[in-house]
This record gives sequence, structure tokens and C-alpha cells, in this order.
Amino acid sequence: KAGVTQTPRYLIKTRGQQVTLSCSPISGHRSVSWYQQTPGQGLQFLFEYFSETQRNKGNFPGRFSGRQFSNSRSEMNVSTLELGDSALYLCASSRIPGAKETQYFGPGTRLLVL
Amino acid sequence: DQQVKQNSPSLSVQEGRISILNCDYTNSMFDYFLWYKKYPAEGPTFLISISSIKDKNEDGRFTVFLNKSAKHLSLHIVPSQPGDSAVYFCAASAKGTAGGTSYGKLTFGQGTILTVHP
Repeated sequence: KAGVTQTPRYLIKTRGQQVTLSCSPISGHRSVSWYQQTPGQGLQFLFEYFSETQRNKGNFPGRFSGRQFSNSRSEMNVSTLELGDSALYLCASSRIPGAKETQYFGPGTRLLVL
Repeated sequence: DQQVKQNSPSLSVQEGRISILNCDYTNSMFDYFLWYKKYPAEGPTFLISISSIKDKNEDGRFTVFLNKSAKHLSLHIVPSQPGDSAVYFCAASAKGTAGGTSYGKLTFGQGTILTVHP
């Protein structure tokens, strides 16, 4: 069974631009979560989607948004990029949302904002 | 406020010996705990998990112990192998519901760099 896939793997943008990242969950998984990893803050939860609805959101500004499609694929968007948005963005999928559902991670998208 | 803490930034172990990675948490609502292994520029790989109703879970060379009263969990790797060298993250999710559907936001520790020497 294929794992979680994320595209693109690497991205370079400049301040003020916007970016869209894509995630395809493991087949049969319907819940997708996004995390940001930075050296200073570690791994932080961005948001979680299930049935095309955002179920949970982390403490990030409104510039960070996402959506989920009917096939469970998800995208996240960051508008008006700032230097501090440079990070590894990770997508994770699970069968359904739930505290006891194991989340499996993709390889991540490395975003560099210049 | 860091709800999940891994107080040891790094750990060095000889091949064949036991590696013990520790994790402390403060949120009593945490219900499920996981350990992930991560290489640079890759996503975390799930290793093992434990529910709050258990105190031990074993999977091959990996055993996770949970002490709820101390709000402490540990990952034991026996025997350690050079291929185990990576960053290990402890993560926790809390009981919670939203619109009738439970959700599972993961809160991560800062990670421990494990180096296993041949």
C-alpha cells in the first residue's frame, strides 16, 4: 500500500507570495492533518480535515488555510509569505479522526522563503 | 507552555545495549501516546503507541512504558542497532470531540537525537 505522498518536495518562494502544498493520504484513510516543523518551535499542529471539513485548528494566523476534497486529498495554502514560514510542512493521514488513531506521515514539503 | 517534554536532547549508546528515551507530559487529558523516528528532511515514521489504559506495549525490539501517575513514558530499544540512529519524537493526543467526531491533534516533544555506535 502506498504511503502518504506530498508535492512538491521542495519549494522556494519570496516574501509576500503565496504557496499551495498538496497531500494524498494512504488509500482508505479519510482524515488528514498538517504539521509545521521548524528548528525553534519543533513540530506544531496546523489543522485537521475529515469529510471535507476542518475539524481542528492549531494556533496559526489566518494566512494558513487548507481544504480537503471528496477523495480525501488535501491542500494547504499560505498567503503573504513571511521569512518565518520557512519550514518543513508535514502531512499525516489516519483512517478516521480520533485520539487513538495512529497518524502516518508523508515525507514533507521543504519551503524556503527568501 | 510545553505540554510534552523530552528533556534529553541527545543520547549515545553502544550497539547491542539498551537505549532508553524518556518523555514527560503535563496534560492529564492526554489519552494516547506515540513514538516516532525521524531522519533529517523526511517525515516521522511511526514506531509504537500506547493507550492510557495500558502501562506497557511491546513490538519487537521496541517497548513503551507508561506511568500515568508520574505522567511519564519511556521507549526502550533492545538491542540497539546503528540503524536506530535518528531523532525520536514522543507525541500525545487528548480525548476530545468536535461535532460528535473525536479528533486527534498530536502534541510533540522536542525530540531526542539517538546515536548508536558500532
